[in-house]
Formats: sequence, structure tokens, C-alpha cells
Amino acid sequence: SQQGEEDPQALSIQEGENATMNCSYKTSINNLQWYRQNSGRGLVHLILIRSNEREKHSGRLRVTLDTSKKSSSLLITASRAADTASYFCATRVTDKLIFGTGTRLQVFP
Amino acid sequence: ETGVTQTPRHLVMGMTNKKSLKCEQHLGHNAMYWYKQSAKKPLELMFVYSLEERVENNSVPSRFSPECPNSSHLFLHLHTLQPEDSALYLCASSQGFGTLGTEAFFGQGTRLTVV
Repeated sequence: SQQGEEDPQALSIQEGENATMNCSYKTSINNLQWYRQNSGRGLVHLILIRSNEREKHSGRLRVTLDTSKKSSSLLITASRAADTASYFCATRVTDKLIFGTGTRLQVFP
Repeated sequence: ETGVTQTPRHLVMGMTNKKSLKCEQHLGHNAMYWYKQSAKKPLELMFVYSLEERVENNSVPSRFSPECPNSSHLFLHLHTLQPEDSALYLCASSQGFGTLGTEAFFGQGTRLTVV
């Protein structure tokens, strides 16, 4: 069953701009994770935020989590052309890791 | 290299064939997953193995049969597939469960085409 939905489905920006992606989910979670996927390849983990955390940073990435609204956001600051990829949120519920629909980000040089 | 290796990378099979996908992890993780990724559809969780026991089967058709002989290896046996089963099949592993569950490490996937 689908747990997460992401918004927007697609996002196009210029290099140097910030990119914000949102994720909503339906059930209580243990943690929420963000992944990146280059076309047709495996997913790469970016950042994990636990259910008792509200914000986390890693380099140019900033993730927020609002468990009352069942939502999370991923902010990529000062984007680069190499950030072009699909980004997915995933929620961990006990043994399962369930992915959202993804946001396709294109960063133009 | 993520520490998770999938073979083969590409597979073309007829609807009457039997084939197997293999996944191997060198990370000492205790959970392994099979996902299906079709064009323009979300990743679908197919199977979860925790401590070599299957704990999740999301109503996957019986033409897909998983096998986890030990904590490092995971197989997906395929037989009498349909063209709509053509997709990217991804294997992943992670450590721990629930609140202790860590991030997943993914293989590069097997691109399956059913003709």
C-alpha cells in the first residue's frame, strides 16, 4: 500500500537556486528517510530523521519533520546541475521501508 | 559501490522461462528487501526478510518466489511472467527494525524485460 506522496512531481530550477520537496504520509512512523535516484539506477540514501526529531542538516541538505501533520520537507540549497535526479521519501514502519512517489528535479546550468 | 550487488544487471526472458535474480550484501545487515520499480509508478515493496524470515509479502503474485538462504543472500525466482512484469527490480538491505532501523543500501538493480 502506498504510504507517501511527494509534491511537486517535477521541479525545474536554475543552478544556485534552492529546491524544496515535500512528502506526506499516512501512518505513524519510526523514522523518515530521503533518497536520491539517478535515471535507471539504484537509490542512494541522503538523510534519516527520527520521529522524535524536528530538523536535521547534512551539507546542503535540510530536512524537517512534522509528525502532527504527517509531513516532511527536503531543502537543497545552492543547487548544482549534478543534483538533477529523482528524490524519494521513505517511511520506516517496523520492518518495512515504504517509498513515496518521488519528485523529479532538473537543475539547469 | 554500496555493498549490495545484484546480478544480472539486465535480463530478457520469455513468458515460459524460469530465471532467478540474485542479491548479495557485504554489510552484515539483518534485513533484506525486494522492490519493483515500473515506469511512472512508485517503488513497490514486494518482500521483506528480517533475520532470514519473510515478514512481508505485499500480495505479490505467486509467479514471483523469494528465497533467503542466509543473511547475506537473497534470490527472486521468476516463472511464467507477464509482459507487465517488465520493470527494474531493486534489492536493498538495512540493519535493525522499528525505531532502530537504519537507512537502506540499494543494489544497482536488474532491468527485466519479459517478451
